[in-house]
Amino acid sequence: QSALTQPPSASGSPGQSVTISCTGTSSDVGGYNYVSWYQQHPGKAPKLIIYEVTKRVSGVPDRFSGSKSGNTASLTVSGLQAEDEADYYCSSYADSHNLGVFGGGTKLTVL
Amino acid sequence: EVQLVQSGAEVKKPGDSLKISCKGSGFSFTSYWIGWVRQMPGKGLEWMGIIYPGDSDTRYSPSFQGQVTISADKSINTAYLQWSSLKASDTAMYYCATLLGYCTNIMCLGGLDPWGQGTLVTVSS
Repeated sequence: QSALTQPPSASGSPGQSVTISCTGTSSDVGGYNYVSWYQQHPGKAPKLIIYEVTKRVSGVPDRFSGSKSGNTASLTVSGLQAEDEADYYCSSYADSHNLGVFGGGTKLTVL
Repeated sequence: EVQLVQSGAEVKKPGDSLKISCKGSGFSFTSYWIGWVRQMPGKGLEWMGIIYPGDSDTRYSPSFQGQVTISADKSINTAYLQWSSLKASDTAMYYCATLLGYCTNIMCLGGLDPWGQGTLVTVSS
């Protein structure tokens, strides 16, 4: 069982917005502003898209945004495009580990 | 261009030893932490450990402490992940990645970017 909880799936039609949640505790997500989000297409290595909760990696479209409220972080993808279909993972530092922990991943389907 | 290039796929038998590599280029290899992440077939990502090639300071996730060894050779900008006795449950894709952050003496903070292309390790009798 992953330390951070994500919904296994999410979906939306092209042009719509979708939000993926990542729920932890005050010892990880809620306690530190070091939440990252990764995008992984099938057969490819993960790619960092958001770091430190809200910062977008250079070159990542501004359709992707991150936020946090309490023990839950969120990734919002606006104006969905076909190429956004991928697995998305959140990660945070956790007191229980000296390194980060990942969420279980969310498969985003563009209908 | 900042790049991490990993060694090729491996097929091993249970009990075999193995060392896979991750070579960095386009950046100061000794100034960044290099992490290792496991992805078992059809599963999610798991932090394994991290090393600072500059002084070989190494940290392990509790689940992987004692199960693997992480090392680095800064003279050739290469980090390694090794097993002394593989098990079938070690079958997975292994990725290395650079920490876009920092480590203190008790914690490592930040995202991982960029990532290597991955090394598939298959352990089967």
